[in-house]
Amino acid sequence: GAGVSQSPSNKVTEKGKDVELRCDPISGHTALYWYRQSLGQGLEFLIYFQGNSAPDKSGLPSDRFSAERTGGSVSTLTIQRTQQEDSAVYLCASSLGLERETQYFGPGTRLLVL
Amino acid sequence: AQSVSQHNHHVILSEAASLELGCNYSYGGTVNLFWYVQYPGQHLQLLLKYFSGDPLVKGIKGFEAEFIKSKFSFNLRKPSVQWSDTAEYFCAVNARTGGFKTIFGAGTRLFVKA
Repeated sequence: GAGVSQSPSNKVTEKGKDVELRCDPISGHTALYWYRQSLGQGLEFLIYFQGNSAPDKSGLPSDRFSAERTGGSVSTLTIQRTQQEDSAVYLCASSLGLERETQYFGPGTRLLVL
Repeated sequence: AQSVSQHNHHVILSEAASLELGCNYSYGGTVNLFWYVQYPGQHLQLLLKYFSGDPLVKGIKGFEAEFIKSKFSFNLRKPSVQWSDTAEYFCAVNARTGGFKTIFGAGTRLFVKA
């Protein structure tokens, strides 16, 4: 079966532009997570979805970041007016449920803001 | 605030040496604990997890971890490492009190010399 997929795999953009990152979770997984991994840093939690609902948005770094999930499946993470400090690898993961379930990670989107 | 601390950022071992990677967390209440591993060029994947019961949990590839509640620790161990264990290892924690937000440590890069 297919794993978690993310697109694009790499994105280079200019400062001030908007970018949209996509995540396709494993079919049937109700929980979906977004993380950010900067050079030399661990995984920074951004947001998670249970179904289409995002109960905790506290991890989003600023109001330039938003995410949505439709149909309990695909999710998009949007960064508006990108800044150089947004450069990182953005990872998506999905799981059957919350709490004790294993998270299955995608390959990530490597974002570079010039 | 909830946090996860991994003591070593880089570890270099020779093959057959024993491994112990430290992980401490700051979390109230009952926790769920995970170790994830990222081999070079691969996605993050689960190594092992602990929810309840026997505090010594065994995972894939000969890894094990011990939950010591009094020390808020979940250290990863392997008696004899192999060159193929070269990877980055992440400790992660979530809890109902944290709203199922999974917090990851900064990671430990392990390099095993052949």
